[in-house]
Order: sequence, then C-alpha cells, then structure tokens
Amino acid sequence: NAGVTQTPKFQVLKTGQSMTLQCAQDMNHNSMYWYRQDPGMGLRLIYYSASEGTTDKGEVPNGYNVSRLNKREFSLRLESAAPSQTSVYFCASRRLAGGNYEQYFGPGTRLTVT
Amino acid sequence: TQLLEQSPQFLSIQEGENLTVYCNSSSVFSSLQWYRQEPGEGPVLLVTVVTGGEVKKLKRLTFQFGDARKDSSLHITAAQPGDTGLYLCAVTGTASKLTFGTGTRLQVTL
Repeated sequence: NAGVTQTPKFQVLKTGQSMTLQCAQDMNHNSMYWYRQDPGMGLRLIYYSASEGTTDKGEVPNGYNVSRLNKREFSLRLESAAPSQTSVYFCASRRLAGGNYEQYFGPGTRLTVT
Repeated sequence: TQLLEQSPQFLSIQEGENLTVYCNSSSVFSSLQWYRQEPGEGPVLLVTVVTGGEVKKLKRLTFQFGDARKDSSLHITAAQPGDTGLYLCAVTGTASKLTFGTGTRLQVTL
C-alpha cells in the first residue's frame, strides 16, 4: 500500500497562474481532506469530501476549488494563485477504527507563489 | 482564539532529558488525538484518548487525557534525536472535521 500520495512535491507559481494539486489514496477510505499548513497557524481545513460525489467547504475555502474524481482521487485547484496561497498543502483520508476516526496524511506539496 | 492551545511552542532539549507538552482548551471533547510530524512529512497519528483520566503509553511516550476531557499532556522519557518533530493535538468537531492545535516544535540534540 502506498497510502496517500500527492503530486507535485514542490511547485513555484507566478501570481495569477493556475494549477491543480493531485491526491490519491489506495486504502478504500470514504472521506478525504485538503489542509494548508502555515507557520504559527497549524493545519487548517480547506475542503473535504465525506464520500464520493460530495464536497464541502472547510475553514479557509476562498480561492480554491476541489473535485472528488472517484473514491481514490481528490484534487485541489487554484484558479488564480496569489502570494497569500504560499503554503504547504496536505491531503488526508480517514477511516473509522475501533469507534474512532483516524486520518492518514500524504507527504505534502510545497507551493510558493511569487 | 484557538480552540486548542498547545504549550510550549518550541522546546529544545538534549538527548536523555524528559519533557512534557500540553494541549489545553475551555471546551469538553469526546476524544483527543496526538500526531507527530517530522520535517518534510505529513502528520502521523500517535494515539487517540477517549476517557477522562485515561493514560496511554507508546514506548517512551505517555499520553494523558484530563479528567474533565478539556486538556491532554504528552510526556516523553529519555528523549532521542528521533523524537524531533512537530507534535500536534487534534479534536473532532462538527461534521466529524478535525481541528488541530498550533503544535509544539521539539528539537532533540545529541
């Protein structure tokens, strides 16, 4: 099992450019998440998908869109990148184990917007 | 205002020392999780505590959930360089979404 994979690992964009961050999981989990991590701010939820075909906004959704392509894949799109979107982006999936939810994270995408 | 306050924010210690980090809130939670994030990686779940007063041990790591289920602590005995990383507490809120604390960054040197 590869777990949760993310591509690319690093990306530099200019202001106004667009890009899609890819995420896939091979654990057959229903729920998937996108977070951003900034110094001193911890992990903040951007969007999540409780199951295939559904998506919902998290704490900081402005400037992003998502697509739950199928059960395995959940992508995050920046339509017009801004310097404020410079961050590390993590994708995660979740399972229910022993009555508790457990999240599994990918290795992250480090995005710089100049 | 952060739902979860973690302290200290930074901790630098030498190998072999003991340490405790804290996760505090004014809210009551049904469960609380601790994650460790190593440099350049995503967070990895260490433990889930669900009962007030519960103590769980994971090798040299001891996790405790407060009696009132508002706070938690993580104690590391005889820290090693491999313990270096960002320690995050997290709780499940509405719509089963996780909320994270801002973390304690631990550096263990030889």
